[in-house]
Amino acid sequence: DVKVTQSSRYLVKRTGEKVFLECVQDMDHENMFWYRQDPGLGLRLIYFSYDVKMKEKGDIPEGYSVSREKKERFSLILESASTNQTSMYLCASSLDPSGTYEQYFGPGTRLTVT
Amino acid sequence: QQQVKQSPQSLIVQKGGISIINCAYENTAFDYFPWYQQFPGKGPALLIAIRPDVSEKKEGRFTISFNKSAKQFSLHIMDSQPGDSATYFCAARNQNDYKLSFGAGTTVTVRA
Repeated sequence: DVKVTQSSRYLVKRTGEKVFLECVQDMDHENMFWYRQDPGLGLRLIYFSYDVKMKEKGDIPEGYSVSREKKERFSLILESASTNQTSMYLCASSLDPSGTYEQYFGPGTRLTVT
Repeated sequence: QQQVKQSPQSLIVQKGGISIINCAYENTAFDYFPWYQQFPGKGPALLIAIRPDVSEKKEGRFTISFNKSAKQFSLHIMDSQPGDSATYFCAARNQNDYKLSFGAGTTVTVRA
């Protein structure tokens, strides 16, 4: 079974802090994604990566950055956390974007910024 | 703005009933339409998907209907069961950059 794990289920941080969210997948997938999930807005893509060292902006990259130093690990960084970044963050991975592919999601990290 | 519009926001159905969730889009670059199911405390998981060259796809009690000319697609859950209570997201993949755009989600509650 594909497994996508996220470092924390719940996280509470203060405004202005630098926050790291970690994601690891164990299926040798090329592609990894970070989404945020908010009620009434569904899932919105923050950043994605098609290969190690590569990153592409999604639909809402402002205030975020990412790092992918190893194939299995994709980190989301909030440079200076703000209260409007309080949300559920979901990491996903997939094998191949060019065909009919499935994204496998982790359980999510619920981040609260106070 | 949201590229895939999903309705209703929530619905309640009796056990054995039919749940229907509708989605609409405008972007003609979308070429693949998956539905994801999410249970509380879990990440979304792929439920069923369709390409626009077919009008219907059925897997067990779940059916996707697709109307290419109207740019609409829907999920039907037949004989709804309490275990189907979850949030359902429609999505559409852009053939130019392979990004998925998700609808806002529908919370389905099946009453026993």
